[in-house]
Amino acid sequence: DVKVTQSSRYLVKRTGEKVFLECVQDMDHENMFWYRQDPGLGLRLIYFSYDVKMKEKGDIPEGYSVSREKKERFSLILESASTNQTSMYLCASSLSYTYEQYFGPGTRLTVT
Amino acid sequence: GQNIDQPTEMTATEGAIVQINCTYQTSGFNGLFWYQQHAGEAPTFLSYNVLDGLEEKGRFSSFLSRSKGYSYLLLKELQMKDSASYLCAVMDDNYGQNFVFGPGTRLSVLP
Repeated sequence: DVKVTQSSRYLVKRTGEKVFLECVQDMDHENMFWYRQDPGLGLRLIYFSYDVKMKEKGDIPEGYSVSREKKERFSLILESASTNQTSMYLCASSLSYTYEQYFGPGTRLTVT
Repeated sequence: GQNIDQPTEMTATEGAIVQINCTYQTSGFNGLFWYQQHAGEAPTFLSYNVLDGLEEKGRFSSFLSRSKGYSYLLLKELQMKDSASYLCAVMDDNYGQNFVFGPGTRLSVLP
């Protein structure tokens, strides 16, 4: 079974802090994704990566950056957290674009 | 622009059939996915359509019409455990393989 793990289930940070969310997958998948999920808005793609050190912006990249130094790990970075970044963050991976995405359990981030 | 619409909520009775619709307007199209998400859990994959027609997988079927920008997910013999949100997602290949998700449809199955 594919397993996608995220570093934290719940996280509370202060405005202005630098925040790291980590995601690890164990199935040698090429693609990895970061989404945020907000009530009424659904899942919105922040960034995705199709290879090590490669990244593409999704719909809402502003205020975020990513890092993929190893194939299995994809990190989301909030350079200076703001209250409007309070959300559920979901990481996913897939073998290729036309294959299903496997999601991690999510990190509920609260910025105060 | 990119837009995906789904009904916000639906209610159905155990044992019945329910159809969840999804309409989309995207600049590119390279497939449509359906995911199921139980409350407090991660989404899980249900189906993928890239060609027009019906894909059947057990109690679940998914239909796609690319010319109409329309898909539906059909759930048969509803069970209580089918109470969940159902997410429609389009892979828009005009934006570097961007995935666009709809807002999701919350289905409640009543006894």
